Amino acid sequence: GDSVTQMEGPVTLSEEAFLTINCTYTATGYPSLFWYVQYPGEGLQLLLKATKADDKGSNKGFEATYRKETTSFHLEKGSVQVSDSAVYFCALGISGTYKYIFGTGTRLKVLA
Amino acid sequence: DVKVTQSSRYLVKRTGEKVFLECVQDMDHENMFWYRQDPGLGLRLIYFSYDVKMKEKGDIPEGYSVSREKKERFSLILESASTNQTSMYLCASSRTGGLNQPQHFGDGTRLSIL
Repeated sequence: GDSVTQMEGPVTLSEEAFLTINCTYTATGYPSLFWYVQYPGEGLQLLLKATKADDKGSNKGFEATYRKETTSFHLEKGSVQVSDSAVYFCALGISGTYKYIFGTGTRLKVLA
Repeated sequence: DVKVTQSSRYLVKRTGEKVFLECVQDMDHENMFWYRQDPGLGLRLIYFSYDVKMKEKGDIPEGYSVSREKKERFSLILESASTNQTSMYLCASSRTGGLNQPQHFGDGTRLSIL
């Protein structure tokens, strides 16, 4: 069935380090792919999305490219800040339904 | 900006009680969702609704029911609360228009069942 696998955390980085959070998926059809971020005590917020192969989503310095050949949607940022500390969720929208599948989340901690 | 408002941030109830969690969205979205979030399990879909009075079961509907009498409001009901329903509950809404439409989430209700 459809599924999302993302790297386990926590990920701890120093400020200005490069970030990669891996996400791979299994899906039939042509899903849309999303990254959401959850700051402490809050709900999830959409960070970026991509709707077809080779699309690149970007927002607030974060980027992810929809790679159909490797079924991946890795999240990257060139220089993280303390304020980026949060939990990041990869998600896919299932073709032909209203449903979305979320990964288990990756906690990022950025140290000053 | 879309606002999804959940009625309580924290709630403590007793085993066997009937519990109501309320969610309201202000952007005329057709679709609304209820998830529970547990450590290591991510978000799991309980129920969703794509129109007033319409509902569909998600992945873990047992022990829950929902009500959508008005477009802006989607209620989650724990018929007889049990300790294994202690969790963070998240409500979300989205516009109809295919899978390109992202979901907008409320801040969550942390529910403890004693």
